Amino acid sequence: GAVVSQHPSWVICKSGTSVKIECRSLDFQATTMFWYRQFPKQSLMLMATSNEGSKATYEQGVEKDKFLINHASLTLSTLTVTSAHPEDSSFYICSASTTGGRHSNQPQHFGDGTRLSIL
Amino acid sequence: DAKTTQPTSMDCAEGRAANLPCNHSTISGNEYVYWYRQIHSQGPQYIIHGLKNNETNEMASLIITEDRKSSTLILPHATLRDTAVYYCIVRPNSGNTPLVFGKGTRLSVIA
Repeated sequence: GAVVSQHPSWVICKSGTSVKIECRSLDFQATTMFWYRQFPKQSLMLMATSNEGSKATYEQGVEKDKFLINHASLTLSTLTVTSAHPEDSSFYICSASTTGGRHSNQPQHFGDGTRLSIL
Repeated sequence: DAKTTQPTSMDCAEGRAANLPCNHSTISGNEYVYWYRQIHSQGPQYIIHGLKNNETNEMASLIITEDRKSSTLILPHATLRDTAVYYCIVRPNSGNTPLVFGKGTRLSVIA
């Protein structure tokens, strides 16, 4: 099946630093990518939607200046958590969707997530 | 907000069929029913989806009521590796509308 690769799988860093998470679609072109965040024992919460070559659309309550999203190509989207603080510690998951082609029967293909811990 | 209602948790004996219900009484005519599952510390995994007919694949079967207001996911022979949170989601099968996750059902398969 379609593969979405997310990197890194986990990261620990000091408060105040910026962290970049990459999401790649390995065998299809992703016209749209989504970023989710999941806190312990909670469900996935949509953070933003990004279409290749355009600005991301953020959900209410998500700070666009803190969570920078770049979707510069049809196979890569990045999420940068700027000036991270302990409350940003969470499980971040990306997903990718495409229209047409053999992978289009599923609306979204998910990466395996990035566990971010801010000390 | 999620448009589905699922039980918080369920147990199932290993080797038996697991039947996971989902209510979606406000589903629209163009919305499909999707099922995903999330094993601990992994990303969600697609299971199956359908519009109004029952569907079956190598993982599961999906039974949708005639009025489409509810559905049941069936894992015919549950194994310990099927222990996960199962999400039932309704969404149009067109465009790039994101999947909106509710709280799901935590299925525990017991040996």
